[in-house]
Amino acid sequence: RKEVEQDPGPFNVPEGATVAFNCTYSNSASQSFFWYRQDCRKEPKLLMSVYSSGNEDGRFTAQLNRASQYISLLIRDSKLSDSATYLCVVNADSWGKLQFGAGTQVVVTP
Amino acid sequence: GAVVSQHPSRVICKSGTSVKIECRSLDFQATTMFWYRQFPKQSLMLMATSNEGSKATYEQGVEKDKFLINHASLTLSTLTVTSAHPEDSSFYICSSRGNVLGETQYFGPGTRLLVL
Repeated sequence: RKEVEQDPGPFNVPEGATVAFNCTYSNSASQSFFWYRQDCRKEPKLLMSVYSSGNEDGRFTAQLNRASQYISLLIRDSKLSDSATYLCVVNADSWGKLQFGAGTQVVVTP
Repeated sequence: GAVVSQHPSRVICKSGTSVKIECRSLDFQATTMFWYRQFPKQSLMLMATSNEGSKATYEQGVEKDKFLINHASLTLSTLTVTSAHPEDSSFYICSSRGNVLGETQYFGPGTRLLVL
């Protein structure tokens, strides 16, 4: 079983619509959670950290469910520029080692 | 955000040659640098953790004699792929983390290696 699992997608989303997807993690001791965005053939870029109480950053909302060990990302009012692969990232230890999911591809269409 | 650079951005080499990739943190002191490898449509896989002034810690299955890591200063870490083979062709990405940045890691732009 992978440490961090994601639905690879693609999620095809009409422009302006809402899309949400989850990620599950296996290490119950994980303390830090992140969503990164990766464009084709580029490096990952931090989209947002995920806090226990859930948090919002503009059109993006992240939630954490520790009991079920999953985190979610919701994108409202999707823009064409939101098309990317979204990586779920979980810390593996206290030294900063991160574990990455394989990513969920989102394609926003006109 | 913090800036991390990598050089070269892409390299094509013949099988058997060695390739050195540099990772620099440009505006902060990176006490820890991480080296990842990503094959197409797969997740980033951590290869090794590099702390300034000490030996790198390699992940299971990563050959330390093949992937030489040097972290001689707080702003520079290098990864040398020795005697590269076609199966080493991949996207190599470094990330840096410094004390002032907390847990957040910032990634370099990556190096695309193609071994013929």
